[in-house]
Amino acid sequence: AQTVTQSQPEMSVQEAETVTLSCTYDTSESNYYLFWYKQPPSRQMILVIRQEAYKQQNATENRFSVNFQKAAKSFSLKISDSQLGDTAMYFCAFTQRNSGGSNYKLTFGKGTLLTVNP
Amino acid sequence: ETGVTQSPTHLIKTRGQQVTLRCSSQSGHNTVSWYQQALGQGPQFIFQYYREEENGRGNFPPRFSGLQFPNYSSELNVNALELDDSALYLCASSSRGSSTDTQYFGPGTRLTVL
Repeated sequence: AQTVTQSQPEMSVQEAETVTLSCTYDTSESNYYLFWYKQPPSRQMILVIRQEAYKQQNATENRFSVNFQKAAKSFSLKISDSQLGDTAMYFCAFTQRNSGGSNYKLTFGKGTLLTVNP
Repeated sequence: ETGVTQSPTHLIKTRGQQVTLRCSSQSGHNTVSWYQQALGQGPQFIFQYYREEENGRGNFPPRFSGLQFPNYSSELNVNALELDDSALYLCASSSRGSSTDTQYFGPGTRLTVL
């Protein structure tokens, strides 16, 4: 069974600074996807960034980037130039491609509550 | 492009009752997945629907059931409600067969069982 571990229950960062959230996962599969989702207090889960396991290049989306270490099964999220609106719960999630080539269920970590301070 | 919508926003039920939650998928999406998120936890997969059939199920009892309609919208039904069913229920839609096949979430339904 796949598991996702986020070892930092809470983190805080000053506005405009950089913060890194950690995530490790366990799987025997070779074809999978990893995601970071953000859930603000308003509760809607928003996709931040995705990474295909077969791609060696780390994904980036504006101020958000990942450090994907496949051998170590590590998938950290770096937020640059933190903004007050980045305050949210961040979830790391994993999904594997099934035999039909489609994504299946998402397995989530327990989340990291990030607070950006002014 | 219309995003994923869910109704109702909040719901209060008593133990033993039945509840139906609704989800409209994002335009162009053909797959709907349901998740239960207990307070302070990550979402847990309940089941997924594709082409109006259940396409996989998590560790939830049979009193959790669902439907998908020809327009790809979906319902989650929970019978014989228990106190532990109190949670945020999230629906996510995706486009099976697309190159990305990423799940996009609705705002959720907060269910309270008294």
